[in-house]
Amino acid sequence: GENVEQHPSTLSVQEGDSAVIKCTYSDSASNYFPWYKQELGKRPQLIIDIRSNVGEKKDQRIAVTLNKTAKHFSLHITETQPEDSAVYFCAAKGQAGTALIFGKGTTLSVSS
Amino acid sequence: GAVVSQHPSWVICKSGTSVKIECRSLDFQATTMFWYRQFPKQSLMLMATSNEGSKATYEQGVEKDKFLINHASLTLSTLTVTSAHPEDSSFYICSAPDQGQGTLEAFFGQGTRLTVV
Repeated sequence: GENVEQHPSTLSVQEGDSAVIKCTYSDSASNYFPWYKQELGKRPQLIIDIRSNVGEKKDQRIAVTLNKTAKHFSLHITETQPEDSAVYFCAAKGQAGTALIFGKGTTLSVSS
Repeated sequence: GAVVSQHPSWVICKSGTSVKIECRSLDFQATTMFWYRQFPKQSLMLMATSNEGSKATYEQGVEKDKFLINHASLTLSTLTVTSAHPEDSSFYICSAPDQGQGTLEAFFGQGTRLTVV
């Protein structure tokens, strides 16, 4: 089955700096790669996603890149703000009807 | 957007009792739903895939006799934690894809915080 590795587990940056979180996946059939932000005790909130037929996607300060050959994808947050502080999860999913498999998460701390 | 509602949002039960958690798709039909468990400071771990009208598929290491899943309709899946023990205390969350939208996005319930005392 699918296995998703996520690094780093913790990341501390200064306000205004960029933050990058990286994930690798094992199943070459996976074709959907979302990123979630989760607050304590709440459901994961989708912040950006990418499909396997696209190499990069951007939404304001957030971007995701995908390298299918290397089976890795990354989240890039620019101009970080204190409110970006949260736990971020990457995930991967194969064909329709299969579940998302999550990475172990990254705790991002943005200090002002 | 698609809405998944989970109930209850939190529950405290005594050790040895059973607890039922409901997951409903409110504005779409879900032939498949997924149940995850999340321990503090850990990731969401897939427990099982709930299939409407058929038996659930459990992930390795998840006891099917302890975590009973029923998916009796196209909008409702239930997870029953039987003979709960303190080590079952966790955050349980369901998700469902709205395949009718042609999207791969997963929609999550609010989650249920289970505390077994």
